[in-house]
Amino acid sequence: DIQMTQSPSSLSASVGDRVTITCRASQSMRNHLNWYQQKPGKAPKFLIYAASSLQSGVPSRFSGSGSGTDFTLTISSLQPEDFATYYCQQYYSTPWTFGQGTKVEIK
Amino acid sequence: QVQLVQSGADVKKPGASVKISCKASGYTFTSYDIIWVRQATGQGLEWMGWMNPNSGDAGYAQNFQGRVTMTRNTSISTAYMELSSLRSEDTAVYFCARVGSSYYEGYHYYMDVWGKGTTVTVSS
Repeated sequence: DIQMTQSPSSLSASVGDRVTITCRASQSMRNHLNWYQQKPGKAPKFLIYAASSLQSGVPSRFSGSGSGTDFTLTISSLQPEDFATYYCQQYYSTPWTFGQGTKVEIK
Repeated sequence: QVQLVQSGADVKKPGASVKISCKASGYTFTSYDIIWVRQATGQGLEWMGWMNPNSGDAGYAQNFQGRVTMTRNTSISTAYMELSSLRSEDTAVYFCARVGSSYYEGYHYYMDVWGKGTTVTVSS
């Protein structure tokens, strides 16, 4: 199975900050990576596919990059509604696997 | 609108089975695979397996092999996930999700529509 490791596990940031979350895969997986946002008590929300393609309706302050084993999710200017947990997920091979999550908290 | 509506919360004793339903609406049920993901309280997301509603084919994560069965009823656009031999560690929220896809230099797959989740509590 491909292991996905996110860093940091949590971070504190202020509204307007630029935030970057890293996801590393245990083996190369081209750009077969998605990002999701989850708020407490809610289902995950799909944000980005193919490492860098924004899902329709997702604000442009979200962006993704990377290929191979190293990927990043960037929020260019953090908004109050962005405080949540973010997960990366690979679909290069089954079983699809998720990172452990990065919780973005208010500073 | 496109949505997946899951069955309600359930409480089971250790050793029992649970069967969760996921009813699709707003799109052609047989055109998109369904995936099941679970999340224990305060924990991350765990992929359980997938099912093709058109063929009925399914594939399961090794962690659940022999205990999980994913089925569907196309006449009512509903997918099911049954987990047997329940133990306390199976206490979690179970989500169904639709698998969307895009093509650009190969196929890309993602879970674009999610149910709200079904809480399963396993307790004696």
